[in-house]
Amino acid sequence: EVQLVESGGGLVKPGGSLRLSCAGSGFSFSNAWMSWVRQAPGKGLEWVGRFKSKAAGGTTDYAAPVRGRFTISRDDSKDMVYLQMNGLKTEDTAVYYCTMGLCDSAGCHWDDAFDVWGQGTMVTVSS
Amino acid sequence: QSALSQPPSASGSPGQSVTISCTGTSSDVGGYNYVSWYQQHPGKAPKLMIYEVSKRPSGVPDRFSGSKSGNAASLTVSGLQAEDEADYHCSSYAGSNIVIFGGGTKLTVL
Repeated sequence: EVQLVESGGGLVKPGGSLRLSCAGSGFSFSNAWMSWVRQAPGKGLEWVGRFKSKAAGGTTDYAAPVRGRFTISRDDSKDMVYLQMNGLKTEDTAVYYCTMGLCDSAGCHWDDAFDVWGQGTMVTVSS
Repeated sequence: QSALSQPPSASGSPGQSVTISCTGTSSDVGGYNYVSWYQQHPGKAPKLMIYEVSKRPSGVPDRFSGSKSGNAASLTVSGLQAEDEADYHCSSYAGSNIVIFGGGTKLTVL
């Protein structure tokens, strides 16, 4: 079974840091582009960023609101992807999901069709 | 990049059809055929319902369909059922390796 499991959420003060982890299983993790998507309470989904597979260049991209504060990393030997969040703001309060794209007969849709999602982990930024 | 625009709510009676819109720009929805739709029940993770404007992943009922015209995409749910009551989110590839989502639409089955 293909599965993603996030951990590491919690309560942190503004300006603080937190690292989220996401463990993948049931698929070829090293070939997957791993993304993070968040959802503030009562709001819509927001793409946070993505780490491409090593074969695709191993680069990262981020949404403007988190660029320069958040860093995505991965450890393919452990089938793990991480989201390091620094300089946290109250507006970063959200459920954070780890996700990856759909693979069909035409290939894998890493950036346009998020098919596998974790259960989410809550991050609360408050004093 | 601004979020895609969705109506906050939509509703329909069982058996009816309802269409939810998702409006962007020529830099996102209008520029790429990479629009997806997600269904999300309260407290649950999103579920992919439509990708590449109109394709359905395996297991998604054919009551769900997608389309696009210009800078706007639409999700139509036909033969509404009680279990279709959920939040629906659209997304689009926006170029430069960026993805954007809409604000979500709450679908109520009357």
